[in-house]
Amino acid sequence: ETGVTQTPRHLVMGMTNKKSLKCEQHLGHNAMYWYKQSAKKPLELMFVYNFKEQTENNSVPSRFSPECPNSSHLFLHLHTLQPEDSALYLCASSQRSGGGPGELFFGEGSRLTVL
Amino acid sequence: AQKITQTQPGMFVQEKEAVTLDCTYDTSDPSYGLFWYKQPSSGEMIFLIYQGSYDQQNATEGRYSLNFQKARKSANLVISASQLGDSAMYFCAMREAGSGGSQGNLIFGKGTKLSVKP
Repeated sequence: ETGVTQTPRHLVMGMTNKKSLKCEQHLGHNAMYWYKQSAKKPLELMFVYNFKEQTENNSVPSRFSPECPNSSHLFLHLHTLQPEDSALYLCASSQRSGGGPGELFFGEGSRLTVL
Repeated sequence: AQKITQTQPGMFVQEKEAVTLDCTYDTSDPSYGLFWYKQPSSGEMIFLIYQGSYDQQNATEGRYSLNFQKARKSANLVISASQLGDSAMYFCAMREAGSGGSQGNLIFGKGTKLSVKP
């Protein structure tokens, strides 16, 4: 079982659809993240949750709505997306206390295509 | 201004040779951390190695080593004895200290695509 699991791995949706991406971490970490990876661009941090509380929203459009019901689960709800939102969405977790480098552990990503 | 700069979009290396992937960073924070990640075609970002700004010695993890030159603000990744499985995208990232003593967030470079030739 991998440390961070993302579902679905691939998603195709129309601009009027509503869908959700799910992320689950089995590492006992206290922070979870959503990143967007588009072609030829650096990873863009979207949201950060620390102990289930959202601590960062990196100017993300409201058509992306995160939800963190507990420290192990993170969702990204998608509504009326645009074709330019097509990208790889990566979830990550880390331990943000207790010393150590606090490296991020990533899932395999959800490849989203918006038609 | 870019915080993390990776100037090599793509690199080729012969199998069993060593290769250096460049990374320069920009920060005025005396406390920061530098990370390297590998992303194979499957999409998962795999943590490789970490260097803290106060670490006296260069970090090493198996075939990976980090050539940390603080004055030049560079943190190049050296992969020794390249293997075909090393073909992937490689990302350099930096974390500055956050506000209130908390950890800052990771900022990534654009990546370098490494291709290992048999």
